[in-house]
Amino acid sequence: QQPVQSPQAVILREGEDAVINCSSSKALYSVHWYRQKHGEAPVFLMILLKGGEQKGHDKISASFNEKKQQSSLYLTASQLSYSGTYFCGTERYINTGTASKLTFGTGTRLQVTL
Amino acid sequence: GAVVSQHPSWVICKSGTSVKIECRSLDFQATTMFWYRQFPKQSLMLMATSNEGSKATYEQGVEKDKFLINHASLTLSTLTVTSAHPEDSSFYICSAREGLSYEQYFGPGTRLTVT
Repeated sequence: QQPVQSPQAVILREGEDAVINCSSSKALYSVHWYRQKHGEAPVFLMILLKGGEQKGHDKISASFNEKKQQSSLYLTASQLSYSGTYFCGTERYINTGTASKLTFGTGTRLQVTL
Repeated sequence: GAVVSQHPSWVICKSGTSVKIECRSLDFQATTMFWYRQFPKQSLMLMATSNEGSKATYEQGVEKDKFLINHASLTLSTLTVTSAHPEDSSFYICSAREGLSYEQYFGPGTRLTVT
């Protein structure tokens, strides 16, 4: 089942903050976050593996809730370069020895304006 | 590091012909490669997972005989769209994972247009 992201789209002025949520109906093994610009491949942002984990770099951070069914991506003091579509990619628990695969969320389109 | 290339970047072909797309990991050994398809304004949908030297595992609803995947070496996987039709027009993206690494690195994608 595809994870659901919210909001579907958001417009920000440069310098404003945004939060993007990713929800799954099942417990997750990991959550990956990607940003994709129009016509380009997704670019890896970060991965969260443990319930309760939070991490970030520059002004982008993410959290993975304790029940491991939700993750949020936090964009602070947004820049024009943050514009794009953000996807979460989730991995569910699988049997060992099987290559795990990502299921991508519904996507959130972010536009940062001057 | 962790660069994945795809070739070609775009291709236009006539209905009924076959098209081959290559995905290469340039600076690491990709034990697992994934092929995705993305329609405009939609999310990435996994088509198949391939491990070097073994048959690809296809997702439900993806025709194995139409989308042939070969992962002949640790740095190369190919996707061949056979007897392409206009509805196969899409953005095809591969990704690669090294060993037990968690990250997937994506290629730049190939835009296929079938006329």
